Amino acid sequence: EVQLVQSGAEVKKPGESLKISCKGFGYSFSSYWIGWVRQKPGKGLEWMGIISPGDSDTRYSPSFQGQVTISVDKSINTAYLQWSSLKASDSGMYYCARKIYYGSGSYFGNWFDTWGLGTLVTVSS
Amino acid sequence: DIQVTQSPSSLSASVGDRVTITCQASQDISHYLNWYQQKPGKAPKLLIYDASYLQIGVPSRFSGSGSGTRFTFTISSLQPEDIATYYCQQYDNLPSFTFGPGTKVEIK
Repeated sequence: EVQLVQSGAEVKKPGESLKISCKGFGYSFSSYWIGWVRQKPGKGLEWMGIISPGDSDTRYSPSFQGQVTISVDKSINTAYLQWSSLKASDSGMYYCARKIYYGSGSYFGNWFDTWGLGTLVTVSS
Repeated sequence: DIQVTQSPSSLSASVGDRVTITCQASQDISHYLNWYQQKPGKAPKLLIYDASYLQIGVPSRFSGSGSGTRFTFTISSLQPEDIATYYCQQYDNLPSFTFGPGTKVEIK
């Protein structure tokens, strides 16, 4: 069974650093990009960025560029999302998701078929 | 940047009703649109990919259609377990995967 298992909830103070993880099971981890999505309490889904575990190619949403770092350790099938200095506004639920790519001739598609359960990050003084 | 709007933002319908949600893109995005369901306290779940393809294991009462700038998501017969927020997601300008604001579906 394909699964993404995320690390547990975190409570941090403003200014602290944090690295959360997303470990893939049941498939060839290096073959599928992993995306990260934020959801603030009571709000919608925000796409943050995406990484290719095979070569660590990383793309960020302009809204999150410079605010977070996405990385991967393919030897242990794990992707990461990290902050160097947390702010209260970083509080929220963070999901990782596996991206499927389909291409045939000029037709292609991308979608996120498997999601982790989420990691709740609370930043408060 | 491509903007995506959804309507309505919320709706209330009776069990058995046909429910339709619309997603409008600010420019032509071909078929580059997916639909997700998020139940309260749960992670999102893929229902429809590439505008109209039903993800494996998803009940056939869910469907999607459209291309270009206007897309629709339909629940043919609303069930109590369909209470959730539904999001469209466009990916015309890769690597961006922008979500719509969501539509909250409730039972009347």
